[in-house]
Amino acid sequence: QLVLTQSPSASASLGASVKLTCTLSSGHSSYGIAWHQQEPEKGPRYLMKLNSDGSHSKGDGIPDRFSGSSSGAERYLTISSLQSEDEADYYCQTWGPGAPVVFGGGTKLTVL
Amino acid sequence: EVQVVESGGGLVKPGGSLRLSCAGSGFTFSNAWMNWVRQAPGKGLEWVGRIKSKPNGGTTDYAAPVKDRFTISRDDSNNRSFLQMNSLKTEDTAVYYCATGDAIDIWGQGTVVAVSS
Repeated sequence: QLVLTQSPSASASLGASVKLTCTLSSGHSSYGIAWHQQEPEKGPRYLMKLNSDGSHSKGDGIPDRFSGSSSGAERYLTISSLQSEDEADYYCQTWGPGAPVVFGGGTKLTVL
Repeated sequence: EVQVVESGGGLVKPGGSLRLSCAGSGFTFSNAWMNWVRQAPGKGLEWVGRIKSKPNGGTTDYAAPVKDRFTISRDDSNNRSFLQMNSLKTEDTAVYYCATGDAIDIWGQGTVVAVSS
C-alpha cells in the first residue's frame, strides 16, 4: 500500500534552515512527489514537484529559499533563512503520470 | 490568470445529497485531470477522487471512504467539473477543494460542506 509518512511537527529558529522529510512506503521509492504549503486559515499552495533523482521544479513565485532533494525513499523540503511567514503546515503528495494520489499527514512547522 | 473556483457548499443533513461545482479558467480545461481534495476540521488533506481528461479516457478514481457514494463528472464545453455527494455522513464534513495541474499545482479556495442534523 502506498503511504507517505511525515513527522507531525518540526521547529527551527528565525533565520535558520530546516529540512522536512517525506518517506515513501516500501516498494514505492521511485515515485515523485509534490510539496504544498498551507498557512493558517488558508488553502494549500503548491511549492514544487520533486523527482526520485532529486530534480525539482518550483511553482511560480516560490522563493529560492525553498529547495527539494531526494535520497532513496525519502523526499526532502529544505527551507533556508526561515521567516515568520514560513510557519505553516507542509504536505507531500505523490506525483507522476497516472500515479495514484496520496497525501502525507502533514508537518506543522513552527518558527521560533 | 489560471484558476479554479469551487461553489455549492452548504449545510446538509446526514443521508442527504449535495453537488459541488468547479469552474476552471486560464488553461485548456479539456486536457486537465480534475481532482477533488477535502480537509476535515483540524485534519490534513485527503484526496477524494479525480476525473481524467477525455483524451485519457475520461475515467474516474475514488478514495475508499467515498467510493460508491460520490461521483465526479465534467462538462468540458463549460469548463466545469462536478462532485455529486450522496448518502452524506457527518464524517464528510470538510472544506472541499478542486485542484488540477501536472502535480496538482492549481488549487481553488475551497467550499465548506457541513453534514449535521
